[in-house]
Amino acid sequence: KNEVEQSPQNLTAQEGEFITINCSYSVGISALHWLQQHPGGGIVSLFMLSSGKKKHGRLIATINIQEKHSSLHITASHPRDSAVYICAVGRGATNKLIFGTGTLLAVQP
Amino acid sequence: ETGVTQSPTHLIKTRGQQVTLRCSSQSGHNTVSWYQQALGQGPQFIFQYYREEENGRGNFPPRFSGLQFPNYSSELNVNALELDDSALYLCASSPWNGDTQYFGPGTRLTVL
Repeated sequence: KNEVEQSPQNLTAQEGEFITINCSYSVGISALHWLQQHPGGGIVSLFMLSSGKKKHGRLIATINIQEKHSSLHITASHPRDSAVYICAVGRGATNKLIFGTGTLLAVQP
Repeated sequence: ETGVTQSPTHLIKTRGQQVTLRCSSQSGHNTVSWYQQALGQGPQFIFQYYREEENGRGNFPPRFSGLQFPNYSSELNVNALELDDSALYLCASSPWNGDTQYFGPGTRLTVL
């Protein structure tokens, strides 16, 4: 069993829909990260959080430490949001990241 | 402020060869982590350098080695290349090892 699990693996939405991607982890963490990866490889860090909730524009990330669960929400989705969204947890003194397998999001106009 | 850069963008090598990949950290960042991302998989942690010293290592053999320079730029060296080493290699820098990591665009290595 992977230490970081994401669901769904693939998600297709219509423009304007509210989107939720879920992440569960089974290990102790220093922080949880949400990242975005576009085709071609570039990874952008969206959020780093260790408790509560963070918001940036149309993106909201929440974490429940007791339940070892985090969600990434996208409000008013747009085709430019199409990408792979990856949940990763920071572990140990190095804060090395352990990645989930990602959620491929396609937002159709 | 310059972001994290990596070179080269793409590289093709043959089995048994050696390769060096380079990463320039974001200004002010003293920590660099390297990751390997095989096609269709999530990235896997290779190692981390902090102030020119290796600060942690993932489950990779010794033929994967690295360096960090006084300006905090970094190299990843892979000896005796194998076909399974074909992947996207990502470096990420951070101002310290507990902070947000900023990723470079990656180097895509193909081993034939």
